Amino acid sequence: EVRLVESGGALVQPGGSLRLSCSGSGFTFKMYWMHWVRQAPGKGLEWVSRIYSDGSIRDYADSVKGRYAISRDNAKGFLYLEMKTLRAEDTAVYYCARATGDSTFRAFDIWGQGTVVTVSS
Amino acid sequence: DIQMTQSPSSLSASVGDRVTITCRASQSISDFLNWYQQNPGKAPKLLIFGASNLQSGVPARFSGSKSGADFTLTITGLQPEDFATYYCQQTYNSPRTFGQGTKVEVK
Repeated sequence: EVRLVESGGALVQPGGSLRLSCSGSGFTFKMYWMHWVRQAPGKGLEWVSRIYSDGSIRDYADSVKGRYAISRDNAKGFLYLEMKTLRAEDTAVYYCARATGDSTFRAFDIWGQGTVVTVSS
Repeated sequence: DIQMTQSPSSLSASVGDRVTITCRASQSISDFLNWYQQNPGKAPKLLIFGASNLQSGVPARFSGSKSGADFTLTITGLQPEDFATYYCQQTYNSPRTFGQGTKVEVK
């Protein structure tokens, strides 16, 4: 079964840090672009970051640039999101997602169940 | 950044109805437009990719189309499990922006 499982969500104080993990299984993890998407309580989906299959290309939403860092370990099948200087507005469910190739329009075909990050004092 | 404008933000419908949701991009995105369904407390699920291609396993009552700058998701014969929120997304360039969402509610 193709699967993504996130972990690492927690309650953290403003200004704090957190690292999220996403484990991929049932597919050749190293061949895919991977993304993080978040959803604040009662709000819509917001794309956060992406990383190329070999890790050589990474980019970020303006709202997290300079504070978040995406990375991956293809040998272990893991995707990570290092989050620093957290703010209340970073409170959200964070999803990892797999993107398909150009011929299938780079859609996000597999999603994890999400992990909850709450930034509050 | 490409802005995705989705309409309506919500609609009320009955089982068996035909439902149409529209999405417009702020610039050309070719056919790099995808549709997702999200149920409360669940992850989004891919329905349509590349404007009109049905994802494997998705019922044929879902369809997507493009006319000029407008993209449309149509549900023909709404089923009880289709009451959910639907999002469009462009994957033409980065950032991969989503529409605001359309909540399909019971009439």
